Amino acid sequence: LAKTTQPISMDSYEGQEVNITCSHNNIATNDYITWYQQFPSQGPRFIIQGYKTKVTNEVASLFIPADRKSSTLSLPRVSLSDTAVYYCLVGEGGNTGKLIFGQGTTLQVKP
Amino acid sequence: AAGVIQSPRHLIKEKRETATLKCYPIPRHDTVYWYQQGPGQDPQFLISFYEKMQSDKGSIPDRFSAQQFSDYHSELNMSSLELGDSALYFCASRGQGKMNTEAFFGQGTRLTVV
Repeated sequence: LAKTTQPISMDSYEGQEVNITCSHNNIATNDYITWYQQFPSQGPRFIIQGYKTKVTNEVASLFIPADRKSSTLSLPRVSLSDTAVYYCLVGEGGNTGKLIFGQGTTLQVKP
Repeated sequence: AAGVIQSPRHLIKEKRETATLKCYPIPRHDTVYWYQQGPGQDPQFLISFYEKMQSDKGSIPDRFSAQQFSDYHSELNMSSLELGDSALYFCASRGQGKMNTEAFFGQGTRLTVV
């Protein structure tokens, strides 16, 4: 499994765009990149998943460069409720792929 | 929409006792994952099942065992409980498909060993 490296913590203010970058230098050809959000004492929640280039949904965008050795989760106009831990996971897609959590990024959004 | 159901939500046990945690996946999901998350820690993968067979094993202690039943629900059995087993235990389920399948997590079972 590709090891992921993320910043331990980030601070932002309401209304700002937040970009969290994840490094995964040994990503395999079959691996997808998935981001989860976790609030205290709750189960992680899927945010977005991608394989290459750019993926956008109603809550976030995911940018993946051509070499796929890193990815950036972009949260537009964050609010206080976006304060959470964000995890980048790399692994095979499909329902048999592993889901291994590394060290997440604690995002603190300030008023 | 139906979500992943875990029971019980809270459990208090004494050292050396046993505990059984249950996980009911989303209907038609055939993959279940179990995680342990201690205070201030990241979720640690314990074990997973696909179509009622163990698919991967992580850092699950020998004192723990798990299985997935014919109706796809899963149970995590924990014996000889230790204080360090106190944690949130999450299960997640995933549906069929070869690509881009999102995993859905339950609300977790908070186990306290005293």
